[in-house]
Amino acid sequence: GQNIDQPTEMTATEGAIVQINCTYQTSGFNGLFWYQQHAGEAPTFLSYNVLDGLEEKGRFSSFLSRSKGYSYLLLKELQMKDSASYLCALNTGFQKLVFGTGTRLLVSP
Amino acid sequence: EPEVTQTPSHQVTQMGQEVILRCVPISNHLYFYWYRQILGQKVEFLVSFYNNEISEKSEIFDDQFSVERPDGSNFTLKIRSTKLEDSAMYFCASSPGLAGGKEETQYFGPGTRLLVL
Repeated sequence: GQNIDQPTEMTATEGAIVQINCTYQTSGFNGLFWYQQHAGEAPTFLSYNVLDGLEEKGRFSSFLSRSKGYSYLLLKELQMKDSASYLCALNTGFQKLVFGTGTRLLVSP
Repeated sequence: EPEVTQTPSHQVTQMGQEVILRCVPISNHLYFYWYRQILGQKVEFLVSFYNNEISEKSEIFDDQFSVERPDGSNFTLKIRSTKLEDSAMYFCASSPGLAGGKEETQYFGPGTRLLVL
């Protein structure tokens, strides 16, 4: 099976930088996704890491280290609209995603 | 930009009744999925579907659940006899393919909130 851990909640200030960590245990996987989910809405795709290293996309970056079982999502220049849950998900390679419980990010003015 | 759509957005039903949740995946995608999210909990995989058959299913997806692609555009999830614990948000998703990398990205629909009374 898989086990995924994320902090439950984080707070940050508008304009700041925040790093959301995800640690996991799994016997094997294709890659790791990050999704954003606003309350009551669908998860929306942010990033996908297959290889170790950093993937940058605008204000969002994601990092993966397979040897350490660790990933993070970095959000820069935080905006109020970034207040949401951020979901780490393993792509197990059997056509299914296994999600963590998500990290609720609260951005304050 | 193409999107996954789902109907209805909300469904209220009595325990023991059958419900059908409908989804229209993105048109050129080959893989389709159903997930559910009980209020306040994590998103859970139910089933994946490819080439008109189930390719993977979870322990949650028991004999009460079934999926179908009745035509070239719709993808449905049927719950035969709903239970109170089936109350959740049900998300449909689709992905282009399994060639690796971005082809594996799953795009989610807005969900159907199911309430079983």
